[in-house]
Amino acid sequence: AQSVTQLDSQVPVFEEAPVELRCNYSSSVSVYLFWYVQYPNQGLQLLLKYLSGSTLVKGINGFEAEFNKSQTSFHLRKPSVHISDTAEYFCAVSLLRGAQKLVFGQGTRLTINP
Amino acid sequence: NAGVTQTPKFQVLKTGQSMTLQCAQDMNHNSMYWYRQDPGMGLRLIYYSASEGTTDKGEVPNGYNVSRLNKREFSLRLESAAPSQTSVYFCASSGGRPSTDTQYFGPGTRLTVL
Repeated sequence: AQSVTQLDSQVPVFEEAPVELRCNYSSSVSVYLFWYVQYPNQGLQLLLKYLSGSTLVKGINGFEAEFNKSQTSFHLRKPSVHISDTAEYFCAVSLLRGAQKLVFGQGTRLTINP
Repeated sequence: NAGVTQTPKFQVLKTGQSMTLQCAQDMNHNSMYWYRQDPGMGLRLIYYSASEGTTDKGEVPNGYNVSRLNKREFSLRLESAAPSQTSVYFCASSGGRPSTDTQYFGPGTRLTVL
C-alpha cells in the first residue's frame, strides 16, 4: 500500500519570502506524484504533477517541486510567496496503471503574513 | 463550462436518516470519484467509477453506496447516516488516460450528522 506524509501541518511565512512544503511517500512500486491546492471554501485544483522525465517539475502560480527517488520525497517550493498563496496544500500519489486512486497526505496549511 | 457541480452544498441529518449526494460533470470525462475530507487526515477515496457502468471501492467504502447513472452523473448514498460520517464530501472527475490525467474537483458538500 502507498502512504504520504506531509511533515508540517502548518507553515507561516512572510510575504515575498521563500517557502518549502515537505512531502515524503512510501510505496513498494513506482508511483506518480501530485500537489493539489485548496483555497478557502473551495475544491482542490492541481498545482503540478510528476509522471516521468525531469525531476524538477514546474506548476502554476510559480510553484515547482523536485522528485527525489532515493529520499522518496516530492517537496514543493516557491521562491517568493504572495498573500494569495494562503491555502491548504496536499501531496498525493497514485499507481502507474489503472484508475487514478489518489492517496493524499494530511495537508499543510500555508499562511502568508504581510 | 460549469466543470464539476455538487448538490447540496450543506446538509444536516439525524442519525439513521438517509440521503443522496449528487455530482455531475460537463467535461465528457470517463472517470469519477468520491472523497471525504476530515481534519488532519487529508482526503480519502470512498468509491470511484473508471468508466460508465463500472464502480469500485476505494479506501473507506463502508456505509456508502454509489451509482454511476450515466457518463455525466455519479451519486453517493448514505443509507443510514452515522455521526462518523460527518465530513466534507468532494466529487472529482478525470478524462483521457485515468492514471495520469488531472482530477477536477467540485466545490464540496458539508455534511453534519447529529
